[in-house]
Amino acid sequence: GAVVSQHPSWVICKSGTSVKIECRSLDFQATTMFWYRQFPKQSLMLMATSNEGSKATYEQGVEKDKFLINHASLTLSTLTVTSAHPEDSSFYICSASGLVSGREETQYFGPGTRLLVL
Amino acid sequence: LAKTTQPISMDSYEGQEVNITCSHNNIATNDYITWYQQFPSQGPRFIIQGYKTKVTNEVASLFIPADRKSSTLSLPRVSLSDTAVYYCLVEGWGQNFVFGPGTRLSVLP
Repeated sequence: GAVVSQHPSWVICKSGTSVKIECRSLDFQATTMFWYRQFPKQSLMLMATSNEGSKATYEQGVEKDKFLINHASLTLSTLTVTSAHPEDSSFYICSASGLVSGREETQYFGPGTRLLVL
Repeated sequence: LAKTTQPISMDSYEGQEVNITCSHNNIATNDYITWYQQFPSQGPRFIIQGYKTKVTNEVASLFIPADRKSSTLSLPRVSLSDTAVYYCLVEGWGQNFVFGPGTRLSVLP
């Protein structure tokens, strides 16, 4: 139980294009979803938190107009990197929390999406 | 903001028990402590979670003292495949989820 998937697993795009990454909770309803970014040899950095049906809350320094987050249902959240540039190349990881094993606060992570912007 | 502190790295040999301690001095009353394992180019994987005292599952044990200001992840008889980065995270409502640098465990043959 508590499986989270991401799609695509990797993407290569040209500078200036937009890239959408999907995050799905497969066997539970995710009341909250989180998006992280991770650079090589570094820890995960929280970008934003989203609750189903409401606007995402972005961490300081994260441009909400560049990283568009939509949490349209209890099983799906999307992150769109708009007008991507090489410095946006990174490993993007989503996580979801919901009522699993009696607790709602525990995060379950997706496998990540590797983005390379040329 | 629940900040955690862990050793940056640890080395061990196959078959040994490994204990990784995490400090979380400002843990709140309703917070739980969760440990994750991450391999390169993969998302973190849930290992174990606890609130107080001791929790054990098929892969690890978690020891939490009465003051809950620290916790220790215990991995019995590690193998080469346990080489990974281990993160402790304090989780609860209203918390900003701040991942520390984690502990990079290297298991040697």
